[in-house]
Order: sequence, then C-alpha cells, then structure tokens
Amino acid sequence: AQSVTQLGSHVSVSEGALVLLRCNYSSSVPPYLFWYVQYPNQGLQLLLKYTSAATLVKGINGFEAEFKKSETSFHLTKPSAHMSDAAEYFCAVTSWEYGNKLVFGAGTILRVKS
Amino acid sequence: NAGVTQTPKFQVLKTGQSMTLQCAQDMNHEYMSWYRQDPGMGLRLIHYSVGAGITDQGEVPNGYNVSRSTTEDFPLRLLSAAPSQTSVYFCASRTGGNAGANVLTFGAGSRLTVL
Repeated sequence: AQSVTQLGSHVSVSEGALVLLRCNYSSSVPPYLFWYVQYPNQGLQLLLKYTSAATLVKGINGFEAEFKKSETSFHLTKPSAHMSDAAEYFCAVTSWEYGNKLVFGAGTILRVKS
Repeated sequence: NAGVTQTPKFQVLKTGQSMTLQCAQDMNHEYMSWYRQDPGMGLRLIHYSVGAGITDQGEVPNGYNVSRSTTEDFPLRLLSAAPSQTSVYFCASRTGGNAGANVLTFGAGSRLTVL
C-alpha cells in the first residue's frame, strides 16, 4: 500500500537552531509532495509543494524542502527556528498511484525552546 | 472571501445520536473532501466529491454519509454517533483535475466529542 512516513512524532529544538523534519514516501511514479503546517486550534496551511519543477522547494516563513528521488524523501528544513514555528507539520503525497487523492503522514509536533 | 467555512466548531453528542457537520466554500471549487484528524494518525480521508451529484468513499467512510447537491456545500452526516468518532473533522476543497497541481484549502475544523 502507498504510504507516507514522518520520522519522529515530536521534535524539540532550541530557538535559533536548525529545524529538520523528516518525510519518506512510497511511489513508483513521480509524486507530488506537500508540507502543511497546523498551528494550535487552526486548520492546515500550505507551507510548500513539489511538482517536479525543481528539487529544492522554498516555502513560506523561511522553510524549504528537498526532493530526493533515490532516497524517496522530502525532508523539511529551516536554518534558524523561531518560537512562532511551534506547530504540527504534515507531509502529504499524491500521484495516480494514490488515486489522485492527497494522503497525509501522521504529523510531527515541533517544539521550540527559548 | 470566506474560503471554506465549517460549522459547528464544537459539538458534544451522546452515543447513538445523529448530526450533520456543515461545510461551505465560496471559491467555486469542484473538489471537496472531509478528513478526520486523530492523534498520531494524521489526517484520513472520509469521503470526497469531484462535483455536484458525485461522491465517493475515502479511507475511513464507515458511519458517515455525504451528499453534494450544490457546488458550494458538502455536509457530512453521522448516522449513529459512536465514541470512536470522537475526532477533529476538516473540510477541504480545491479546483478539479490533478490533485498535485491544485492545492487543498482547509476549513478551521469541527471538534466532535461522542460520549
């Protein structure tokens, strides 16, 4: 079955430190990949998406993600964490193998320590 | 521009009761969907619709019913609520066609507790 795996249900970083949230997917065809963010008691907002134009994708709020086909990964990074980055982050994938539906990973809660 | 509007934001039900979660969008999106969010499980697709009069099941459809009589509205009905349906429900919509090219817009969510 097709799947999206986010390694680490909780990640804690200090303010100013590198943020790295991991996402691996399964797909034998070129996928579309997304990162969404959910702030407390809110809906999901799109951070960035990969649609095969470039392997390094820049999103909002200083986040970026790199598509690595050989590793079937799409990890999310930010060079310097800010307190306002504390939220839950979801990786999502779709392709014809997923029936043209968006399938989400389990989510990673990011905590930023002062 | 309101985007995707969900009502109610909070609801408490007793086991066996029925209710409808409302979802409306004002973006003329063909595709609408319902997800449920549970801790550690991400978002799972319940039902979706590619246009008025067309609905289909997602990953976890049991215990839920939907209809799509207009482009704007996509209500989710719980026929006989069970504690396992305690969750946060999100409605999301996008333009039709390729799910990769067209981004989902989410509502703010409806938190349902079934006692």
